[in-house]
Amino acid sequence: EVQLVESGGGLVQPGGSLRLSCAASGFTFSGYSMNWVRQAPGKGLEWISYISGGGVTIYYADSVKGRFTISRDKAKNSLFLQMNSLRAEDTAVYYCARLGFCTGGSCPSDYWGQGTLVTVSS
Amino acid sequence: SVLTQPPSVSGAPGQRVTISCTGSNSNIGAGYDVHWYQQLPGTAPKLLIYGNNNRPSGVPDRFSGSKSGTSASLAITGLQAEDEADYYCQSFDSTLTVLFGGGTKLTVL
Repeated sequence: EVQLVESGGGLVQPGGSLRLSCAASGFTFSGYSMNWVRQAPGKGLEWISYISGGGVTIYYADSVKGRFTISRDKAKNSLFLQMNSLRAEDTAVYYCARLGFCTGGSCPSDYWGQGTLVTVSS
Repeated sequence: SVLTQPPSVSGAPGQRVTISCTGSNSNIGAGYDVHWYQQLPGTAPKLLIYGNNNRPSGVPDRFSGSKSGTSASLAITGLQAEDEADYYCQSFDSTLTVLFGGGTKLTVL
């Protein structure tokens, strides 16, 4: 059974840092690209970062570029998101999601974790 | 959002509803496929439709998708109370960005 379990969320002050983790199981982790997607309270989904299965190709949304870093560890079957210079507008539930079979140049997220809440506030 | 969805739709049990997702020539219109997600209250999103019109295993055939030009649509027939949720479309943009629609809240009357 595919499982994605996020951790590392919490309360952090503006300007602070936080590192999120996503533990993957039930599939060959290195064979799949992964996304981080966030959802601010009462708002819609916002994609923030992508990493290929081998970790070579990485993309970021403009809203987090230069502040967030995505990475993965094959040995630990884990995905990470290092978040620096956090702002109030980064407050959200952060989901990791596995990318499934890509069609027509676009890849669906076929499995999602339960999410971890990040609150940026003084 | 770059992908535009109606904020809300509603229908009575048994009826058919559709949710639109309008993009542009740099995303849906450029040929990138559209995927749809269902998010029940307090839960993570769930993949509902992939590749414009394909259902993952376990998704009822009451749910269907289509795409034409710069837009896509999700149709739900035989509406049920448990379909009440938020629905999101997703595609890709030529600027190497994953796009989500703003979401549509479905209310079953």
